[in-house]
Amino acid sequence: AQSVAQPEDQVNVAEGNPLTVKCTYSVSGNPYLFWYVQYPNRGLQFLLKYITGDNLVKGSYGFEAEFNKSQTSFHLKKPSALVSDSALYFCASTFFNTGRRALTFGSGTRLQVQP
Amino acid sequence: NAGVTQTPKFQVLKTGQSMTLQCAQDMNHEYMSWYRQDPGMGLRLIHYSVGAGITDQGEVPNGYNVSRSTTEDFPLRLLSAAPSQTSVYFCASSYGDRGNTEAFFGQGTRLTVV
Repeated sequence: AQSVAQPEDQVNVAEGNPLTVKCTYSVSGNPYLFWYVQYPNRGLQFLLKYITGDNLVKGSYGFEAEFNKSQTSFHLKKPSALVSDSALYFCASTFFNTGRRALTFGSGTRLQVQP
Repeated sequence: NAGVTQTPKFQVLKTGQSMTLQCAQDMNHEYMSWYRQDPGMGLRLIHYSVGAGITDQGEVPNGYNVSRSTTEDFPLRLLSAAPSQTSVYFCASSYGDRGNTEAFFGQGTRLTVV
């Protein structure tokens, strides 16, 4: 079955330090992978995606993610965290070659950046 | 450009009542979908549509109906509300139907069923 996992419910990091939010996927074939962010009482906003090509993808607000096929991972990273990055982050995927166009979401990781 | 608009933002229903959650997009997107968000479970797909007149079920369709008479609108109907349908509902739209484009989400509807 196709699935996306976010192993950490919460990640705490000090402002200015690098941050990583982890995501792994389980699928046969090639997934399309996405990161979304949700601020309190708001909808989800797109950060970045991997479709094909370069394994390092750069997105909005200084975030980047690395697609690792051998480890089936797509971790979200940022070199220097800001307090304003505190939010709920979702990894998601679609699997077009299996007909699954809709997003499958991980359970979400709450990022807390301390001043 | 309004993007994806959901109404209402908040709603309280009594068990057994019915209601329609509205969703409209002005980006001419073919693909639209409804998700529910529950704590610790991410977002789960309820129903989706790949174009006007075409809808299909997602992971958790029971108790919900949809229709897509126009490209712009994709309403979600709760037939007989139950407390288990207390959740935050999000509508999303995206360009094309290959799953390789980003989705745009509405602000959500927080529904409480008592």
